[in-house]
Amino acid sequence: DAGVTQSPTHLIKTRGQHVTLRCSPISGHKSVSWYQQVLGQGPQFIFQYYEKEERGRGNFPDRFSARQFPNYSSELNVNALLLGDSALYLCASRRNRDRDATNEKLFFGSGTQLSVL
Amino acid sequence: AQSVAQPEDQVNVAEGNPLTVKCTYSVSGNPYLFWYVQYPNRGLQFLLKYITGDNLVKGSYGFEAEFNKSQTSFHLKKPSALVSDSALYFCAVRALYNFNKFYFGSGTKLNVKP
Repeated sequence: DAGVTQSPTHLIKTRGQHVTLRCSPISGHKSVSWYQQVLGQGPQFIFQYYEKEERGRGNFPDRFSARQFPNYSSELNVNALLLGDSALYLCASRRNRDRDATNEKLFFGSGTQLSVL
Repeated sequence: AQSVAQPEDQVNVAEGNPLTVKCTYSVSGNPYLFWYVQYPNRGLQFLLKYITGDNLVKGSYGFEAEFNKSQTSFHLKKPSALVSDSALYFCAVRALYNFNKFYFGSGTKLNVKP
């Protein structure tokens, strides 16, 4: 089975532009989460979506938005890009929203490296 | 609030020697602790987790972690390091009410020298 896939792998934008990042979860996984990893830091939670609804949001401005589609894939949108938005954006999937099955864990994609110039 | 701290930015160890990567946690309620590894230009890969039960948790690639409640620590260990273990290691704790929300430490770069 394919893992979590993200596109594009790399992206260069200029300040003020808009960007859309895409994620396809593992087959059968209904929950998608987005994380931002700035160089030298650990990933920070941005959003979680389950069954097309937002189920969690981190401490990020309204310039960040996301959505989930009927096939459980997801998009992360960032408007009015700032230099500080340069980071690796990671998508993670999980089978269920909150069920605490002991064998469940987050599966991460390889990320999209966004550079804002 | 949930948080983890990784006090070492970098750990250097010779191949064949034991390694330890440190992590301390601060949580409300029971801790759900994880270790992930990140290789260059890759996403995070799951190594192991502690939910409940034995304090010594065994994971992938020969890694294990020891949960210590009194010291609020969850150190990652391996008896004999390999050069291929060189990577960035993250400790994480799961949020209480959102099982998809993890709080990650700042990461520890492990360098294993031949």
